[in-house]
Amino acid sequence: DAGITQSPRHKVTETGTPVTLRCHQTENHRYMYWYRQDPGHGLRLIHYSYGVKDTDKGEVSDGYSVSRSKTEDFLLTLESATSSQTSVYFCAISDPTGNTIYFGEGSWLTVV
Amino acid sequence: DQQVKQNSPSLSVQEGRISILNCDYTNSMFDYFLWYKKYPAEGPTFLISISSIKDKNEDGRFTVFLNKSAKHLSLHIVPSQPGDSAVYFCAASLYSGTYKYIFGTGTRLKVLA
Repeated sequence: DAGITQSPRHKVTETGTPVTLRCHQTENHRYMYWYRQDPGHGLRLIHYSYGVKDTDKGEVSDGYSVSRSKTEDFLLTLESATSSQTSVYFCAISDPTGNTIYFGEGSWLTVV
Repeated sequence: DQQVKQNSPSLSVQEGRISILNCDYTNSMFDYFLWYKKYPAEGPTFLISISSIKDKNEDGRFTVFLNKSAKHLSLHIVPSQPGDSAVYFCAASLYSGTYKYIFGTGTRLKVLA
Protein backbone atom coordinates (compact mmCIF):
# COMPACT_ATOMS: atom_id res chain seq x y z
CA ASP A 1 0.00 0.00 0.00
CA ALA A 2 1.71 3.18 -1.24
CA GLY A 3 -0.04 5.56 1.19
CA ILE A 4 -2.13 7.38 -1.40
CA THR A 5 -5.69 8.43 -0.70
CA GLN A 6 -8.01 9.82 -3.33
CA SER A 7 -11.28 11.61 -2.63
CA PRO A 8 -14.02 11.44 -3.56
CA ARG A 9 -13.90 7.87 -4.82
CA HIS A 10 -17.14 8.26 -6.78
CA LYS A 11 -18.89 11.38 -7.98
CA VAL A 12 -21.72 12.22 -10.35
CA THR A 13 -21.92 15.85 -11.42
CA GLU A 14 -23.73 17.96 -13.96
CA THR A 15 -22.23 19.50 -17.07
CA GLY A 16 -20.84 22.95 -16.40
CA THR A 17 -20.21 22.50 -12.68
CA PRO A 18 -16.73 22.70 -11.13
CA VAL A 19 -15.25 19.56 -9.64
CA THR A 20 -12.16 19.07 -7.51
CA LEU A 21 -10.48 15.74 -6.90
CA ARG A 22 -8.02 15.44 -4.05
CA CYS A 23 -4.94 13.27 -3.72
CA HIS A 24 -3.21 12.89 -0.40
CA GLN A 25 0.07 11.01 0.13
CA THR A 26 1.87 10.00 3.29
CA GLU A 27 5.18 9.03 1.61
CA ASN A 28 6.66 12.55 1.35
CA HIS A 29 7.44 11.92 -2.34
CA ARG A 30 8.33 14.92 -4.42
CA TYR A 31 6.64 13.85 -7.65
CA MET A 32 2.88 13.56 -8.02
CA TYR A 33 0.76 12.88 -11.09
CA TRP A 34 -2.82 12.84 -12.29
CA TYR A 35 -3.80 10.34 -14.97
CA ARG A 36 -7.09 9.45 -16.56
CA GLN A 37 -7.98 5.99 -17.82
CA ASP A 38 -10.32 5.52 -20.76
CA PRO A 39 -11.08 2.45 -22.90
CA GLY A 40 -8.70 2.20 -25.83
CA HIS A 41 -6.43 4.93 -24.46
CA GLY A 42 -4.80 3.36 -21.45
CA LEU A 43 -3.49 5.80 -18.85
CA ARG A 44 -2.92 9.33 -20.06
CA LEU A 45 -1.09 12.01 -18.10
CA ILE A 46 -3.13 15.12 -17.30
CA HIS A 47 -0.79 17.15 -15.06
CA TYR A 48 2.15 16.48 -12.84
CA SER A 49 4.01 18.19 -10.02
CA TYR A 50 7.69 18.13 -9.13
CA GLY A 51 7.38 20.08 -5.90
CA VAL A 52 5.24 22.49 -3.91
CA LYS A 53 3.79 25.06 -6.32
CA ASP A 54 5.71 23.43 -9.21
CA THR A 55 3.37 21.88 -11.75
CA ASP A 56 3.31 21.23 -15.47
CA LYS A 57 0.98 19.97 -18.18
CA GLY A 58 0.72 16.44 -19.45
CA GLU A 59 -0.65 15.20 -22.76
CA VAL A 60 -4.37 15.78 -22.00
CA SER A 61 -4.38 18.91 -19.84
CA ASP A 62 -7.09 20.94 -21.62
CA GLY A 63 -10.02 21.63 -19.27
CA TYR A 64 -8.03 20.75 -16.16
CA SER A 65 -6.00 22.70 -13.63
CA VAL A 66 -3.98 21.56 -10.63
CA SER A 67 -2.57 22.97 -7.44
CA ARG A 68 -0.03 21.79 -4.92
CA SER A 69 0.27 23.95 -1.83
CA LYS A 70 1.68 21.18 0.38
CA THR A 71 3.95 18.23 -0.37
CA GLU A 72 1.26 15.75 0.60
CA ASP A 73 -1.69 17.17 -1.38
CA PHE A 74 -2.26 17.45 -5.14
CA LEU A 75 -5.62 18.77 -6.33
CA LEU A 76 -7.13 18.31 -9.77
CA THR A 77 -9.87 20.76 -10.77
CA LEU A 78 -12.29 20.60 -13.66
CA GLU A 79 -13.37 24.22 -13.93
CA SER A 80 -16.50 23.42 -15.93
CA ALA A 81 -17.10 19.71 -16.28
CA THR A 82 -18.02 18.25 -19.68
CA SER A 83 -19.28 14.79 -20.62
CA SER A 84 -15.90 14.03 -22.27
CA GLN A 85 -14.34 14.25 -18.80
CA THR A 86 -16.34 11.26 -17.59
CA SER A 87 -13.50 8.93 -16.70
CA VAL A 88 -11.56 7.20 -13.98
CA TYR A 89 -8.90 9.44 -12.49
CA PHE A 90 -5.78 8.07 -10.85
CA CYS A 91 -3.34 9.94 -8.71
CA ALA A 92 0.21 8.63 -8.58
CA ILE A 93 3.47 9.34 -6.78
CA SER A 94 7.06 8.48 -7.50
CA ASP A 95 10.46 8.82 -5.92
CA PRO A 96 13.42 10.40 -7.76
CA THR A 97 14.78 7.12 -9.14
CA GLY A 98 12.36 6.93 -12.06
CA ASN A 99 11.90 3.17 -11.81
CA THR A 100 8.58 3.02 -10.00
CA ILE A 101 5.35 4.97 -9.85
CA TYR A 102 2.61 4.11 -7.37
CA PHE A 103 -1.08 4.64 -7.93
CA GLY A 104 -4.04 5.46 -5.75
CA GLU A 105 -7.26 3.50 -5.97
CA GLY A 106 -8.96 5.87 -8.40
CA SER A 107 -11.82 8.36 -8.52
CA TRP A 108 -14.77 7.51 -10.74
CA LEU A 109 -16.28 10.68 -12.18
CA THR A 110 -19.46 10.77 -14.23
CA VAL A 111 -20.54 14.03 -15.87
CA VAL A 112 -24.21 14.02 -16.91
CA ASP B 1 2.12 10.03 -31.12
CA GLN B 2 1.91 6.80 -29.16
CA GLN B 3 5.42 6.30 -27.78
CA VAL B 4 4.53 3.08 -25.95
CA LYS B 5 2.36 0.56 -27.77
CA GLN B 6 0.64 -2.62 -26.73
CA ASN B 7 -0.74 -4.03 -29.95
CA SER B 8 -2.64 -6.95 -28.46
CA PRO B 9 -5.80 -5.82 -26.66
CA SER B 10 -6.40 -9.27 -25.21
CA LEU B 11 -4.77 -12.64 -24.60
CA SER B 12 -6.12 -15.96 -23.32
CA VAL B 13 -3.85 -18.60 -21.83
CA GLN B 14 -4.44 -21.95 -20.17
CA GLU B 15 -3.62 -22.22 -16.47
CA GLY B 16 -0.08 -23.48 -15.93
CA ARG B 17 1.16 -22.34 -19.32
CA ILE B 18 3.30 -19.32 -20.12
CA SER B 19 1.75 -15.89 -20.72
CA ILE B 20 3.74 -13.51 -22.91
CA LEU B 21 2.69 -9.88 -23.05
CA ASN B 22 4.40 -7.60 -25.55
CA CYS B 23 5.17 -3.91 -25.72
CA ASP B 24 6.90 -1.74 -28.32
CA TYR B 25 8.33 1.73 -27.89
CA THR B 26 9.70 4.44 -30.13
CA ASN B 27 11.88 6.65 -27.88
CA SER B 28 15.40 5.34 -27.31
CA MET B 29 15.86 7.81 -24.43
CA PHE B 30 13.56 5.99 -22.02
CA ASP B 31 15.34 5.21 -18.74
CA TYR B 32 13.18 2.44 -17.26
CA PHE B 33 10.43 0.17 -18.43
CA LEU B 34 7.71 -0.96 -16.07
CA TRP B 35 4.81 -3.39 -15.98
CA TYR B 36 1.62 -2.90 -14.01
CA LYS B 37 -1.35 -5.12 -13.31
CA LYS B 38 -4.83 -3.72 -12.91
CA TYR B 39 -7.93 -5.40 -11.55
CA PRO B 40 -11.37 -3.84 -12.13
CA ALA B 41 -12.24 -1.01 -9.75
CA GLU B 42 -8.70 -0.86 -8.38
CA GLY B 43 -5.62 1.20 -9.10
CA PRO B 44 -2.74 -0.23 -11.15
CA THR B 45 -0.20 -2.11 -9.06
CA PHE B 46 3.50 -2.30 -9.84
CA LEU B 47 4.80 -5.70 -10.98
CA ILE B 48 8.35 -5.41 -12.23
CA SER B 49 10.69 -2.96 -13.92
CA ILE B 50 13.88 -3.05 -15.95
CA SER B 51 16.56 -0.47 -16.51
CA SER B 52 17.32 0.49 -20.10
CA ILE B 53 20.87 -0.79 -19.62
CA LYS B 54 19.71 -4.31 -18.77
CA ASP B 55 18.19 -6.99 -20.97
CA LYS B 56 16.47 -9.18 -18.39
CA ASN B 57 14.98 -8.89 -14.94
CA GLU B 58 13.30 -11.68 -13.03
CA ASP B 59 11.07 -11.69 -9.95
CA GLY B 60 9.44 -14.97 -9.06
CA ARG B 61 7.01 -16.00 -11.81
CA PHE B 62 7.55 -12.71 -13.67
CA THR B 63 10.39 -12.02 -16.09
CA VAL B 64 10.80 -8.96 -18.27
CA PHE B 65 12.99 -9.04 -21.38
CA LEU B 66 14.26 -5.92 -23.12
CA ASN B 67 15.44 -5.89 -26.73
CA LYS B 68 16.82 -2.43 -27.32
CA SER B 69 17.68 -2.92 -30.97
CA ALA B 70 14.07 -3.86 -31.71
CA LYS B 71 12.66 -1.36 -29.18
CA HIS B 72 10.61 -4.19 -27.75
CA LEU B 73 9.97 -5.59 -24.31
CA SER B 74 7.97 -8.51 -23.09
CA LEU B 75 6.61 -9.79 -19.81
CA HIS B 76 6.63 -13.54 -19.24
CA ILE B 77 4.46 -15.09 -16.55
CA VAL B 78 5.27 -18.71 -15.74
CA PRO B 79 3.23 -20.59 -14.70
CA SER B 80 0.08 -18.59 -15.34
CA GLN B 81 -2.59 -18.70 -12.66
CA PRO B 82 -6.28 -17.70 -12.73
CA GLY B 83 -5.48 -14.84 -10.32
CA ASP B 84 -3.24 -13.35 -13.01
CA SER B 85 -6.32 -12.48 -15.05
CA ALA B 86 -6.21 -8.68 -15.26
CA VAL B 87 -5.27 -5.81 -17.54
CA TYR B 88 -1.51 -5.36 -17.90
CA PHE B 89 0.01 -1.99 -18.71
CA CYS B 90 3.47 -1.44 -20.06
CA ALA B 91 5.08 1.91 -19.18
CA ALA B 92 8.32 3.78 -19.76
CA SER B 93 9.94 6.57 -17.79
CA LEU B 94 11.65 9.54 -19.35
CA TYR B 95 13.72 12.11 -17.52
CA SER B 96 13.61 15.72 -18.75
CA GLY B 97 14.11 17.67 -15.58
CA THR B 98 11.55 15.45 -13.92
CA TYR B 99 10.40 11.91 -14.52
CA LYS B 100 7.37 11.37 -16.72
CA TYR B 101 5.77 7.97 -17.15
CA ILE B 102 4.15 7.04 -20.45
CA PHE B 103 1.76 4.13 -20.59
CA GLY B 104 0.53 1.78 -23.26
CA THR B 105 -3.13 1.04 -23.83
CA GLY B 106 -3.08 -2.25 -21.94
CA THR B 107 -3.56 -5.94 -22.67
CA ARG B 108 -6.34 -7.90 -20.99
CA LEU B 109 -5.04 -11.31 -19.91
CA LYS B 110 -7.46 -14.11 -19.19
CA VAL B 111 -6.07 -17.27 -17.63
CA LEU B 112 -8.39 -20.20 -18.16
CA ALA B 113 -8.72 -22.81 -15.42
